[in-house]
Amino acid sequence: QVQLVESGGGVVQPGRSLRLSCAASGFTFTSYGMQWVRQAPGKGLEWVAVISHDGRVQYYADSVKGRFTISRDNSKNTLNLQMNSLSAEDTAVYFCAKEAVVRVSTTLDYWGRGSLVTVSS
Amino acid sequence: AIQLTQSPSSLSASEGDRVTITCRASQGISSALAWYQQKPGKAPKLLIFDASSLQSGVPSRFSGSGSGTDFTLTISSLQPEDFATYYCQQAKTFPWTFGQGTKVEIK
Repeated sequence: QVQLVESGGGVVQPGRSLRLSCAASGFTFTSYGMQWVRQAPGKGLEWVAVISHDGRVQYYADSVKGRFTISRDNSKNTLNLQMNSLSAEDTAVYFCAKEAVVRVSTTLDYWGRGSLVTVSS
Repeated sequence: AIQLTQSPSSLSASEGDRVTITCRASQGISSALAWYQQKPGKAPKLLIFDASSLQSGVPSRFSGSGSGTDFTLTISSLQPEDFATYYCQQAKTFPWTFGQGTKVEIK
């Protein structure tokens, strides 16, 4: 069965960096785009970034563009999110999610349980 | 970025009620819309994709409709396990965006 397991979260000071990872299993990782979505405490879902199946194409939310980098290691079935220049507004649970290409568009059919990132001095 | 506005933000309903949640896009998105259910402390769960297609394993009491800018999620007969927050999400163009959520509570 599909499993997505995030790791790397924790408490970090403002201005510092953190790297999240997502270990994928149960599907052919190299065939699917992957995404990160975050949720601040008590708030709604916010789309963060996407990477194509081969890693060649990435898009970012304006709120993280220039600070976050999404990447993947297809040899290790791992998705990464490098987060730099963190601020309190980045405090959230970060979910990785698997894309599914459906008839009209693309959707997110499997999600990890999330990794909490807290930015605080 | 395309904005999605859900209404209502919250609602109270009883078991067995018919519940309707709407999602309006700031510009046309064809049928590139999904609905997710999220329970506290859990990851979102895909319910509907392509505006009206039911994800495998999701009960048939859930249905979606609409295209262009106006979309609806309907729960035909609310069950105890359906009390949760529901989000719409557009996949027409990046950046993808989510609605602000609709919390369905027990009356």
